[in-house]
Amino acid sequence: DIHMTQSPSTLSASVGDRVTITCRASQSVVGWLAWYQQKPGKAPKLLIYRTSSLESGVPSRFSGSGSGTEFTLTISSLQPDDFATYFCQQYNSYPYTFGQGTKLEIK
Amino acid sequence: QLQLQESGPGLVKPSETLSLTCTVSSGSISNSGYYWGWIRQPPGKGLEWIGSIYYTENTYFNPSLKSRVTISVDTSKDQFSLRLSSVTAADTAVYYCARQGSVASRRWFDPWGQGTLVTVSS
Repeated sequence: DIHMTQSPSTLSASVGDRVTITCRASQSVVGWLAWYQQKPGKAPKLLIYRTSSLESGVPSRFSGSGSGTEFTLTISSLQPDDFATYFCQQYNSYPYTFGQGTKLEIK
Repeated sequence: QLQLQESGPGLVKPSETLSLTCTVSSGSISNSGYYWGWIRQPPGKGLEWIGSIYYTENTYFNPSLKSRVTISVDTSKDQFSLRLSSVTAADTAVYYCARQGSVASRRWFDPWGQGTLVTVSS
């Protein structure tokens, strides 16, 4: 199985901040990586697929980059609605695996 | 807009079988472009893919759960179902159903159902 590791596990930031979350794969997933946002008690919501393609309706302040084993999700200017938990998922090979999550908290 | 909704018992006894159904609305489960998957999330923890099914009944599973998992599809009702046998407390989780691209390069999950909490306890 490909193990996905996110860092940090928790991130404290303020509205307006630029933040970056990292996702590392135990082996190359090429560019087959997605990012999800999850709010308490809700299902995950797709933000980005294929490393950097923004899902329809997702604000442009979200962006993704990377390749191989290291990927990042960046939020350019945090908004109150962005405080949530973020997960990466590789779909290069099965079993499809997720990172453990990064909780973005208000500082 | 496509919607998915999980249904089933919220409490299952240890050693018994967990059974859930996902109903797809505003779309057809027979759409050739998609698989239909199950993912779970233990309380306060991360996400684990369980398995996925195509409308032709082609299935693939997480090897860690494969011996206990059955996934089936009912195209006449636009539903697919999960059965997980011999459950223990470790199977307590929120179970989600979701749509997944059928092409290897599109195997992300979107959209998701709202999730249903299944607790394993006597």
